[in-house]
Amino acid sequence: RKEVEQDPGPFNVPEGATVAFNCTYSNSASQSFFWYRQDCRKEPKLLMSVYSSGNEDGRFTAQLNRASQYISLLIRDSKLSDSATYLCGVTGANNLFFGTGTRLTVIP
Amino acid sequence: GAVVSQHPSWVICKSGTSVKIECRSLDFQATTMFWYRQFPKQSLMLMATSNEGSKATYEQGVEKDKFLINHASLTLSTLTVTSAHPEDSSFYICSAPPSGSGTQYFGPGTRLTVL
Repeated sequence: RKEVEQDPGPFNVPEGATVAFNCTYSNSASQSFFWYRQDCRKEPKLLMSVYSSGNEDGRFTAQLNRASQYISLLIRDSKLSDSATYLCGVTGANNLFFGTGTRLTVIP
Repeated sequence: GAVVSQHPSWVICKSGTSVKIECRSLDFQATTMFWYRQFPKQSLMLMATSNEGSKATYEQGVEKDKFLINHASLTLSTLTVTSAHPEDSSFYICSAPPSGSGTQYFGPGTRLTVL
């Protein structure tokens, strides 16, 4: 079983839509969780960490459900510039495991 | 955020040659750095964990004799792809967490094309 499972999409949504991505993880001992954004042919850039109580940064909301072992990212009022691949990251013993990434395309 | 650099950003080489990729943490020290590989339209796959002052730890299926890692200092790790073949063509990315931080910062990546 993979450390992290993520729906690869693609998600094609109109501007202004709300879209949500989920990742499930297998290691219940994982402590840190992240969402990264990766643009085509670029390195991933940290979008936000995911905290137990959930956290929000502008139009982006991240949540963690330890009981069900998943994290989520909600994007409200989608912009064209949100088009990218979103990767979840979950720490293991000494490293960070990534999901396959979910490709989002926001359509005018 | 912290800055990680990689050099070169892209390289084209002939089959059978070796290629060295450098990863540097510019404004922090990193006792551990990570090397990933990403094939087109696929996720990042962890190759190995580079440890300053000790041997690297390789993930299952990654040949340590083919992908040589040297963590020369607290700010530099190198990955050498030895006897490169076309199937080694990929996007190689390093990352490093500042000491005491669980957050990883990525280098800009190195695109390797083996002819």
